[in-house]
Amino acid sequence: EAGVAQSPRYKIIEKRQSVAFWCNPISGHATLYWYQQILGQGPKLLIQFQNNGVVDDSQLPKDRFSAERLKGVDSTLKIQPAKLEDSAVYLCASSLVRQGRETQYFGPGTRLLVL
Amino acid sequence: AQSVSQHNHHVILSEAASLELGCNYSYGGTVNLFWYVQYPGQHLQLLLKYFSGDPLVKGIKGFEAEFIKSKFSFNLRKPSVQWSDTAEYFCAVNRRLYNTDKLIFGTGTRLQVFP
Repeated sequence: EAGVAQSPRYKIIEKRQSVAFWCNPISGHATLYWYQQILGQGPKLLIQFQNNGVVDDSQLPKDRFSAERLKGVDSTLKIQPAKLEDSAVYLCASSLVRQGRETQYFGPGTRLLVL
Repeated sequence: AQSVSQHNHHVILSEAASLELGCNYSYGGTVNLFWYVQYPGQHLQLLLKYFSGDPLVKGIKGFEAEFIKSKFSFNLRKPSVQWSDTAEYFCAVNRRLYNTDKLIFGTGTRLQVFP
């Protein structure tokens, strides 16, 4: 079974530029998550999708971050404009629910450096 | 504040030593508990999980964890570590909030094993 795919793996941009990340979840997983992992910390949820609808975006800095999952499969996360403090690893995860119990599976992440 | 605490930020062991990494959470009610591992340069992988039943859970690579409800703890153990166990370990708690599942991570514990 293929895992969660993400691209690019690395991105270096200057502050105030824009950047986009792509995620392809595990086939059949209805729920998709974007997390931000700052160095030395655990992942923090940015946004959660159920199929193509947003379930929770309460932690997403909406003035600069946006995300979409138009067809309920792939998703993109965009930052515009980027700030220095956005330097982090952006993780995508998808989840499988069995008997009401959910397990999340993570992609390799995109490491973003904002200069 | 509701949180997941990992008390050991950095653990250094010699091969064959025993390992115990602490994890405490502050949520009441029903929770699902996870340990994820991140090997150098790799993505987060599920090590083990607890949903219900036997509080002693066995995972991959000889790891196990014990859920102690009265102590709100889910400590990770391995009787004899190997150099290949060098990685970052994250405890995570999944709880249902406002009809959605939320996975909250601890800050992680970096384990270094020397031959």
